[in-house]
Amino acid sequence: DTEVTQTPKHLVMGMTNKKSLKCEQHMGHRAMYWYKQKAKKPPELMFVYSYEKLSINESVPSRFSPECPNSSLLNLHLHALQPEDSALYLCASSLRTDPYEQYFGPGTRLTVT
Amino acid sequence: AQSVTQPDIHITVSEGASLELRCNYSYGATPYLFWYVQSPGQGLQLLLKYFSGDTLVQGIKGFEAEFKRSQSSFNLRKPSVHWSDAAEYFCAVSNQAGTALIFGKGTTLSVSS
Repeated sequence: DTEVTQTPKHLVMGMTNKKSLKCEQHMGHRAMYWYKQKAKKPPELMFVYSYEKLSINESVPSRFSPECPNSSLLNLHLHALQPEDSALYLCASSLRTDPYEQYFGPGTRLTVT
Repeated sequence: AQSVTQPDIHITVSEGASLELRCNYSYGATPYLFWYVQSPGQGLQLLLKYFSGDTLVQGIKGFEAEFKRSQSSFNLRKPSVHWSDAAEYFCAVSNQAGTALIFGKGTTLSVSS
């Protein structure tokens, strides 16, 4: 099973709201990733977790706050977002951060109003 | 720095015809190469990968890709395209640490009947 699940599928939030995106995998993967994808563009890496520790933050604004409570779960906490943050947010996982294939979830379509 | 170029932004192929999507990479060491497919509003699905060994790799859905080091290419092929193959295709290379996928800008495939 190579499934990564993400909830919710769609999210609409105002600029003053606080919300969270959730990602889950049960493949025993120890690396998990958040990507942001704008329309007609490739995904852009935001964060990398390796063995539940944040290993890469690609200069993402602090209004995005990742969390990895355990090896199967990855959250992205959102606060005071801007309309330009509207995008598809993709979660991915891989066995480790050595070059291994990454498996992507279906994404959360976020709209900031 | 690593980079991936997909020269074709949009390709239209007749159903049943063969397909080749081009991908060129720039990478100093042995590249770890991937092809992903993305249907509208969906996550990315891994089609195939090349790490080492046989330069012709087979993937899912009848796709194959050939790694040519001399041409820095990793082109994706399919002998007979189905209407359901219409999607966005991304070529990607992993950095050596495996912490980042560098994506090309993607090629949109349309299938005509």
